[in-house]
Amino acid sequence: DGGITQSPKYLFRKEGQNVTLSCEQNLNHDAMYWYRQDPGQGLRLIYYSQIVNDFQKGDIAEGYSVSREKKESFPLTVTSAQKNPTAFYLCASSIMGGVGGAGRNEAFFGQGTRLTVV
Amino acid sequence: KNEVEQSPQNLTAQEGEFITINCSYSVGISALHWLQQHPGGGIVSLFMLSSGKKKHGRLIATINIQEKHSSLHITASHPRDSAVYICAVIAYGGSQGNLIFGKGTKLSVKP
Repeated sequence: DGGITQSPKYLFRKEGQNVTLSCEQNLNHDAMYWYRQDPGQGLRLIYYSQIVNDFQKGDIAEGYSVSREKKESFPLTVTSAQKNPTAFYLCASSIMGGVGGAGRNEAFFGQGTRLTVV
Repeated sequence: KNEVEQSPQNLTAQEGEFITINCSYSVGISALHWLQQHPGGGIVSLFMLSSGKKKHGRLIATINIQEKHSSLHITASHPRDSAVYICAVIAYGGSQGNLIFGKGTKLSVKP
């Protein structure tokens, strides 16, 4: 079955360590996204990619890095420069059909990763 | 102004009540998703809509493309429906990629 896999579901790290969150999809979606959610807040865009080897910063990219070497994979690294890394992280992917949206239009969402830095 | 607006932001209901959560958007879209997030939990996709109406159990989602509006209804609400409900659109030429989220509606259903 096609889907998007985000791992791990829970992650604990020591302060000052870099940590990489995994996101893989086998849906042949072109676009992939990373969002961050703080308690009681909405989802905020960290990075997105609409094509392999290209990605764009979202609203809160500072302290994060991504890569898109393969269409299926869009890992997010939370670096030690991120001042407040403890949060819920969500990966998503989407495809939009051709002209006028004809064809397949869909988005899939990972389960999320709860990162706690101690 | 956010491109996807949800209302209300918070909603408290008594068990058994009919609930409506609204989502308005200002961009052209090809599809809209309703998502559910339980406290401390992950994200679950409830519906994807590009027109009309869909029903699953006690949940009904409708969309009016001309009016750029969607609603999520919960009939005979139950405390286990307590969660954050999030509207997400697949947009044409959105300002940041083509997947845009609303800020969510926090629903609490009291027994």
